[in-house]
Amino acid sequence: DGGITQSPKYLFRKEGQNVTLSCEQNLNHDAMYWYRQDPGQGLRLIYYSQIVNDFQKGDIAEGYSVSREKKESFPLTVTSAQKNPTAFYLCASSIGVLSNQPQHFGDGTRLSIL
Amino acid sequence: AQSVTQLDSHVSVSEGTPVLLRCNYSSSYSPSLFWYVQHPNKGLQLLLKYTSAATLVKGINGFEAEFKKSETSFHLTKPSAHMSDAAEYFCVVPYSGTYKYIFGTGTRLKVLA
Repeated sequence: DGGITQSPKYLFRKEGQNVTLSCEQNLNHDAMYWYRQDPGQGLRLIYYSQIVNDFQKGDIAEGYSVSREKKESFPLTVTSAQKNPTAFYLCASSIGVLSNQPQHFGDGTRLSIL
Repeated sequence: AQSVTQLDSHVSVSEGTPVLLRCNYSSSYSPSLFWYVQHPNKGLQLLLKYTSAATLVKGINGFEAEFKKSETSFHLTKPSAHMSDAAEYFCVVPYSGTYKYIFGTGTRLKVLA
């Protein structure tokens, strides 16, 4: 079955540490996204990528970095510069721009500070 | 500018009674619209989508939604709530001409036994 796989499901970060969240899709979608979800704040866009080797900052990119070396993969690194990383992180994909088609989501990674 | 407004942050219904979750949108044209459901510690699952075809859209798990241009609404309904419907629901519109999507703030549905 096609879908999006996020790993790990739970992740703990120590002070000053960078951590990387994995996102893989086998839907052959061009566009991929990272969202942060905090209680009562809905979803906020961190980064998105329209195509391999290209990505754009979303609304809350500070303290995060991404790469898009392969169509299937869009890992997110939460750097030590992100002072409040505790949140639920969701990866999504969509067919592409102007298609007006819905996104598909992974099951999320919950990040906590040790 | 496009936007979506979910009119209720929390809705409680008794099991077996109808569900109504309200969503209003703002757009200068007829947009695509989606409803998603999110269970605790899970990702968002697409319930149904409107893409300028039939205005009454049927989705999974017995949910449906009606696109009403005159009211700029896309309310989600279900005739009879089940305990498993307890979750958070999001109304979403793609931001035309971009890769972005606009999310409503969510409605948490509680189903009482």
